[in-house]
Amino acid sequence: GQQLNQSPQSMFIQEGEDVSMNCTSSSIFNTWLWYKQDPGEGPVLLIALYKAGELTSNGRLTAQFGITRKDSFLNISASIPSDVGIYFCAGQGGGSEKLVFGKGTKLTVNP
Amino acid sequence: GAGVSQSPSNKVTEKGKDVELRCDPISGHTALYWYRQSLGQGLEFLIYFQGNSAPDKSGLPSDRFSAERTGGSVSTLTIQRTQQEDSAVYLCASSPLGFSYNEQFFGPGTRLTVL
Repeated sequence: GQQLNQSPQSMFIQEGEDVSMNCTSSSIFNTWLWYKQDPGEGPVLLIALYKAGELTSNGRLTAQFGITRKDSFLNISASIPSDVGIYFCAGQGGGSEKLVFGKGTKLTVNP
Repeated sequence: GAGVSQSPSNKVTEKGKDVELRCDPISGHTALYWYRQSLGQGLEFLIYFQGNSAPDKSGLPSDRFSAERTGGSVSTLTIQRTQQEDSAVYLCASSPLGFSYNEQFFGPGTRLTVL
């Protein structure tokens, strides 16, 4: 079946630093999504990408749909303590209608 | 507008008992998904409803798990004869028709603990 590799698994950074995380897939995807999950909550959609090469920003967040359609990255600039949480990538494609989720990147921001 | 709601938020049950988890999707969303998230893990797909089509049950881990969606809106996930390994957070999501059908909106989840 389809697999997504998300890295890194966890990150410990200082407030103000920039962060980058990425996902790679074994299949070509048509859609990439990035979600953030706070403790005790459901994931919240941050950015949706629909076109190879697309670069989209949402405040301090920027995500790109890789040109090969097999990868995506998420950057967070000038991190703040409320950026703490688990970030998930998700993709759709490879002949399946369903979203496939990465295992998440746990972000810790030290003030 | 209202988001996806789930109830109960927490459920503690004894091994062997049946449980029912409820999901109210966003009004007008035709697709509804159930996922399971074990502690510190990613999201495991369970079942997917789209409109009046037959549900995609390919993710259900055993025949103890079943789900219904009545009237194309509310959904109930039922776990029969619960086992300790069923302990997890059960997340429901819904998405609209059209171009953004992949953009799933999640509820807060039901944390299930099987003693």
